[in-house]
Amino acid sequence: AQSVSQHNHHVILSEAASLELGCNYSYGGTVNLFWYVQYPGQHLQLLLKYFSGDPLVKGIKGFEAEFIKSKFSFNLRKPSVQWSDTAEYFCAVNAKAAGNKLTFGGGTRVLVKP
Amino acid sequence: NAGVTQTPKFRVLKTGQSMTLLCAQDMNHEYMYWYRQDPGMGLRLIHYSVGEGTTAKGEVPDGYNVSRLKKQNFLLGLESAAPSQTSVYFCASKDGGSSNEQYFGPGTRLTVT
Repeated sequence: AQSVSQHNHHVILSEAASLELGCNYSYGGTVNLFWYVQYPGQHLQLLLKYFSGDPLVKGIKGFEAEFIKSKFSFNLRKPSVQWSDTAEYFCAVNAKAAGNKLTFGGGTRVLVKP
Repeated sequence: NAGVTQTPKFRVLKTGQSMTLLCAQDMNHEYMYWYRQDPGMGLRLIHYSVGEGTTAKGEVPDGYNVSRLKKQNFLLGLESAAPSQTSVYFCASKDGGSSNEQYFGPGTRLTVT
């Protein structure tokens, strides 16, 4: 079955540590890729998105993600996290092969210790 | 712009009761979606609509119905609630152009006892 996989369910790290969250998808063909963030008690907000062009995408709050087509991956990174980055992060893929509907990964809960 | 709004924010139902969740958007978006969010499973698409008067099934449609009588509103109905429908429900909308970004509402936390 076509899917979106996030490898880590929970990540705990200290402030100033670097963060990398993995995301792999199994759709072929044209894809649009997203990372959403959900802060505690809030709704999903878009962090960044990739449609085409430069595979290294910069988003809000110092986040970036790299699209590696050959690996079907779209990993999220932040060089130095803050306590306020504590949230759940969702990778999502919009694939033409899946009828242009968003498919979400299972999410990764990130806890940043002060 | 209020963006995407959802009512109610919280609801507790007994098994077998019915209810309707309302989603409204003021961005003139063509597409609207209903998702449910469960721990470890991300968001799963229940139903969606590509325009006023149209609806389609998503990944987990059983036990739910939807209606899109007006472009700005997308209703999700539970005819006979079951404990398995305890979840957080999110509505989203997007325009019909090349941008595929979806905008999400604040969510409705539903508990079925």
